[in-house]
Amino acid sequence: AQSVTQLDSQVPVFEEAPVELRCNYSSSVSVYLFWYVQYPNQGLQLLLKYLSGSTLVKGINGFEAEFNKSQTSFHLRKPSVHISDTAEYFCAVSDVRSGGSNYKLTFGKGTLLTVNP
Amino acid sequence: DGGITQSPKYLFRKEGQNVTLSCEQNLNHDAMYWYRQDPGQGLRLIYYSQIVNDFQKGDIAEGYSVSREKKESFPLTVTSAQKNPTAFYLCASSDGTGGIGELFFGEGSRLTVL
Repeated sequence: AQSVTQLDSQVPVFEEAPVELRCNYSSSVSVYLFWYVQYPNQGLQLLLKYLSGSTLVKGINGFEAEFNKSQTSFHLRKPSVHISDTAEYFCAVSDVRSGGSNYKLTFGKGTLLTVNP
Repeated sequence: DGGITQSPKYLFRKEGQNVTLSCEQNLNHDAMYWYRQDPGQGLRLIYYSQIVNDFQKGDIAEGYSVSREKKESFPLTVTSAQKNPTAFYLCASSDGTGGIGELFFGEGSRLTVL
């Protein structure tokens, strides 16, 4: 079974500063990795995903993430954040053996990003 | 516009009462899911359905029930057997032939037990 650890429950930053949200995973097999964003009182929206190939993945709203197999990490980054990026961010993992079955997605506990003026 | 509609957005219930949360999608997706979200706990899968008239228990199915009589609809009943039902409930769907890991979520239903 796989698991996901989001190392920070809250990350406060100032507008236009860079940000990194950390995610580590544990799995005995190859994995697919995802980042979702949840704005207040809304559902989740897929930001980006890593399935295979290039380890640097670009997503929506200027976010990107880098898959590091040796460190079992998939950290999310943005070079300059805006007030509108304030939201909760979830890292998720599923193992390749599941063939991408979405009911086998395991979510982390989330990181609340607060962007201050 | 295509999407997932959950209702009601807010619901209050007395202890001992069953409540049903509605989830409707017009994305023509085969698979639908119910998640429970508690502060600091992430999302936990309650039930999922990959096809009409079939559904499977997720990680925390006790005290919940579902039905999938139509492709578009996947209602969740929170029964009186659920010991701690106050939570935010999210419905999602996915296209079985589409993107891996790409779930489409509704805006959620917040249930409070008084």
